Amino acid sequence: QSVLTQPPSVSGAPGQRVTISCTGSSSNIGAGYDVQWYQQLPGTAPKLLIYGNINRPSGVPDRFSGSKSGTSASLAITGLQAEDEAEYYCQSYDSSLSGSIFGGGTKLTVL
Amino acid sequence: QVQLQESGPGLVKPSETLSLTCTVSGDSIGSGSHYWGWIRQPPGKGLQWIGGIYYSGATNYNPSLKSRVTISVDTSKNQFSLKLSSVTAADTAVYYCARRVIVVANSPYFDYWGQGTLVTVSS
Repeated sequence: QSVLTQPPSVSGAPGQRVTISCTGSSSNIGAGYDVQWYQQLPGTAPKLLIYGNINRPSGVPDRFSGSKSGTSASLAITGLQAEDEAEYYCQSYDSSLSGSIFGGGTKLTVL
Repeated sequence: QVQLQESGPGLVKPSETLSLTCTVSGDSIGSGSHYWGWIRQPPGKGLQWIGGIYYSGATNYNPSLKSRVTISVDTSKNQFSLKLSSVTAADTAVYYCARRVIVVANSPYFDYWGQGTLVTVSS
């Protein structure tokens, strides 16, 4: 069971907007630690999508955006495209574990 | 362009030690500008942070694996390594090495990943 909780799956039609939530606790997100998001296409390594809650690395489309509030964070994807179909993971730091933690992952299906 | 490449046996027997090496190119471990880490992913499951190391040899490990994990670094070869002892079938996973960005007083993250290597624990 992951320390960060994500919905197992979300779906949306091409062009639509979807959001993926990531819920933590007072020892991680709620303690002020930043949240990152990774995209994992089938059979490939995870790719950094969002860092520091809201920042996109160079090359990541601005269709992807992140936010954080309290003990939760969210990833929003607008203008859904077929190529967005992937597994998405949130990640943060936990002071109780003194280490990095991941969410369980959310499978995005583009209908 | 930073690249990481995992190498090591793809099959390990139960109770033995899993050993993997990550070779880094496009960045120098010895520069001290980043940490370096290992993450694993059991088949069909999510990601689990294993541990990390700095060029100085300072390490930190996931508490759930700490008793069995050793991570070491060889700056002369620009490599870092993972050893996981007393493995069982539950340790079967794709093992990734990654560059870990240091964020002062906040959550580090992983900006470059290796392609991953599947290690199966079976007799």
